[in-house]
Amino acid sequence: DAKTTQPNSMESNEEEPVHLPCNHSTISGTDYIHWYRQLPSQGPEYVIHGLTSNVNNRMASLAIAEDRKSSTLILHRATLRDAAVYYCILAVYNQGGKLIFGQGTELSVKP
Amino acid sequence: KAGVTQTPRYLIKTRGQQVTLSCSPISGHRSVSWYQQTPGQGLQFLFEYFSETQRNKGNFPGRFSGRQFSNSRSEMNVSTLELGDSALYLCASSPGTGALYGYTFGSGTRLTVV
Repeated sequence: DAKTTQPNSMESNEEEPVHLPCNHSTISGTDYIHWYRQLPSQGPEYVIHGLTSNVNNRMASLAIAEDRKSSTLILHRATLRDAAVYYCILAVYNQGGKLIFGQGTELSVKP
Repeated sequence: KAGVTQTPRYLIKTRGQQVTLSCSPISGHRSVSWYQQTPGQGLQFLFEYFSETQRNKGNFPGRFSGRQFSNSRSEMNVSTLELGDSALYLCASSPGTGALYGYTFGSGTRLTVV
């Protein structure tokens, strides 16, 4: 199973942009890059996903390196509600619902 | 639009008993996956069902089983409960191939085995 590497923790200031990095050097052509976040006592929440091109949605942007071996989740203006554990996951197209979660990055946001 | 609904939210069982957890996916979603989350092991994939067929399975003992009904609702069963089965059990649904569409998770069922 393809693995991802993320920093254990990051800090941000409220209303500033946050860039959460993820390395996935063993990514293969059919692996989609997914990001989820989890608040305490809640299930993970979908943030964004992509294959090759950069993606934007109302929550965040996903910047994917040209060689696809790394990606960055961008929160444009961090709020206190963005404090969570962020998981970067490679989802294999032909393996259905199997997501391999790592330890994720715990993001704290300071007012 | 209703989200993924898991019932019950909390459950306390005794060692040796069995338990059944329920998951109702988002309307129109045909894929349901189950995960176990513990402080020590994190989030681990249990299995996935698509159109009533198990499509994928994680590395859990046979005491963990599941099924999916024709309306896409899913149940998972754990027999002969052990203390180590205490965990948050999460289900996630997707319209089809989750890698392509993304997954929506429920809030989970907190199972405590005593």
